[in-house]
Amino acid sequence: GESVGLHLPTLSVQEGDNSIINCAYSNSASDYFIWYKQESGKGPQFIIDIRSNMDKRQGQRVTVLLNKTVKHLSLQIAATQPGDSAVYFCAETQGYGNKLVFGAGTILRVKS
Amino acid sequence: GAVVSQHPSRVICKSGTSVKIECRSLDFQATTMFWYRQFPKQSLMLMATSNEGSKATYEQGVEKDKFLINHASLTLSTLTVTSAHPEDSSFYICSASPTGLYGYTFGSGTRLTVV
Repeated sequence: GESVGLHLPTLSVQEGDNSIINCAYSNSASDYFIWYKQESGKGPQFIIDIRSNMDKRQGQRVTVLLNKTVKHLSLQIAATQPGDSAVYFCAETQGYGNKLVFGAGTILRVKS
Repeated sequence: GAVVSQHPSRVICKSGTSVKIECRSLDFQATTMFWYRQFPKQSLMLMATSNEGSKATYEQGVEKDKFLINHASLTLSTLTVTSAHPEDSSFYICSASPTGLYGYTFGSGTRLTVV
């Protein structure tokens, strides 16, 4: 959902460990969800998406889980690497082409 | 495919002047584009939805007379920050959605500094 004036929490993980980033979304009518990665000074980069008729979707080293009952999304990154260090946002929308609303975001720091 | 170009990447302007930011979809048509603002260490806040050939839809609390949006073609939307003040300094990001399809592509952002 909307995050007004909130500063981002930080998740620190050791290189090689798995990371789990969580997100609570706000609109129960949302039917499409996306995870983005944002590096400093750049626009968001698509990681993985999921529609509301699914509860899990896997990509390369990433998995997204959707729990519609509690309006919760999670992003799992396997074998986290230093290049994964960035800010991660979930985003939600209802129908294609409609406005995309971002969640609060999480800073991921990978320790070598 | 699905590339969005945003220009300029950085701009410094004097207080009271206006600044125009362009967002172009390079290889697809976008009936709808979106403008976001992002302050340091915060999330992206949707400012407005830009609709080709019609007026933009602004989010609550966003001044439409200050942030002018024009979407004159299926590949170009512009955001003009009028009478800019230091508090308008921020990272502005546009996004476009291919007409009739899921998916959103983001520009690389514009760092606006008002001095």
